[in-house]
Amino acid sequence: EIVLTQSPATLSLSPGERATLSCRASQSISSYLAWYQQKPGQAPRLLIYDASNRATGIPARFSGSGSGADFTLTISSLEPEDFAVYYCQQRSSWPLTFGPGTKVDLK
Amino acid sequence: QLQLQESGPGLVKPSETLSLTCTVSGGSISSSDYYWGWIRQPPGKGLEWIGNIFYSGSTYYNPSLKSRVTIFVDTSKNQFSLKLSSVTAADTAVYYCARLGFCSSVTCYADYWGQGTLVTVSS
Repeated sequence: EIVLTQSPATLSLSPGERATLSCRASQSISSYLAWYQQKPGQAPRLLIYDASNRATGIPARFSGSGSGADFTLTISSLEPEDFAVYYCQQRSSWPLTFGPGTKVDLK
Repeated sequence: QLQLQESGPGLVKPSETLSLTCTVSGGSISSSDYYWGWIRQPPGKGLEWIGNIFYSGSTYYNPSLKSRVTIFVDTSKNQFSLKLSSVTAADTAVYYCARLGFCSSVTCYADYWGQGTLVTVSS
């Protein structure tokens, strides 16, 4: 099973600041990584698929990069609605797995 | 607009079987472009993939749950369902159904989600 680790666990930032979230896989997963955003009481929402492709309707301030085992989600300028938990997920091999999440909260 | 809605009991006794159904509207479950899946999230914790199903009935289960899980599809009702047997308190979670896209074989991402339903295992 591929294990995903995310860092930091919590990121405390202010609106307008840049957020950089990391996801590392226990082995190479090519570009088969997605990022999701989850707000309290809501289902996760797909933001980025295959490492760098924005899903339908996702604002351009969200971008993804990386390949192999190291990946990054960048939010260029935080909006108030971006404070949430972010999960990465791999689809390189079965079983599909998620990282433990990074919480982006208000500083 | 595609919508998914989970339904089923919110309380299940230990050792019994958890049963949930996902009703899909705004799209056909019989599309060959997608899989359909179940994902769960214990309160305050992270996400765990349970399993996938194709409209033909082909299934893929997380090995950690494989001995207890059954997922099946009813294309006539545009629904798919989850059964998890011999539940314990560790199975208490919000259970989400999802449409799975961007697939290579069985490995996919979840691009549409239901709102989730909390199932508590308690006597």
